[in-house]
Amino acid sequence: DAGVIQSPRHEVTEMGQEVTLRCKPISGHDYLFWYRQTMMRGLELLIYFNNNVPIDDSGMPEDRFSAKMPNASFSTLKIQPSEPRDSAVYFCASSLRQGDGYTFGSGTRLTVV
Amino acid sequence: AQSVTQLGSHVSVSEGALVLLRCNYSSSVPPYLFWYVQYPNQGLQLLLKYTSAATLVKGINGFEAEFKKSETSFHLTKPSAHMSDAAEYFCAVGNSNSGYALNFGKGTSLLVTP
Repeated sequence: DAGVIQSPRHEVTEMGQEVTLRCKPISGHDYLFWYRQTMMRGLELLIYFNNNVPIDDSGMPEDRFSAKMPNASFSTLKIQPSEPRDSAVYFCASSLRQGDGYTFGSGTRLTVV
Repeated sequence: AQSVTQLGSHVSVSEGALVLLRCNYSSSVPPYLFWYVQYPNQGLQLLLKYTSAATLVKGINGFEAEFKKSETSFHLTKPSAHMSDAAEYFCAVGNSNSGYALNFGKGTSLLVTP
């Protein structure tokens, strides 16, 4: 298994631009999570899906952020418009069942200038 | 509600010495507890997990952790540190009320000196 695959690994964009981060979970994992990691705030849960349906999006910072999961093998996290304070490492993770823990992707390092 | 507190943002040990990374949790119902390790520029990797079976849990790379309900703790230990253990370590908690969502601690950076 190739694990959780995220793209791109690095993204540098200008303030105001739209940014789309992509994630392919492990096949058969019904749960997908998006986390953001910063030095100041640590790992924050943004949103998670079960069977492609968003379950909890209370961690999404504001309306500029949106996430979709059109099918079991693909999810996107979009920021529009991006701001410098969005700079962080964004992780996608997937899980088969509660108690198994997550498998994380390698992350996308986003820099907004 | 659930949360974890990792005591000590930085821990330094000598190669061959005992590693002890502290984690205390708060959970209104029986918790699931995890330790993850993160190497530079990589994602988090699961070290071990506690899910209400044995209280002493063994993980990868010689690490283990003991669930102590009376102390609400889940400290991570390794008898002898290797240089390759230098990394960031995260404790995480979940429970049946949170669905599948885990809350992570702030992390502890482990430095291993020769």
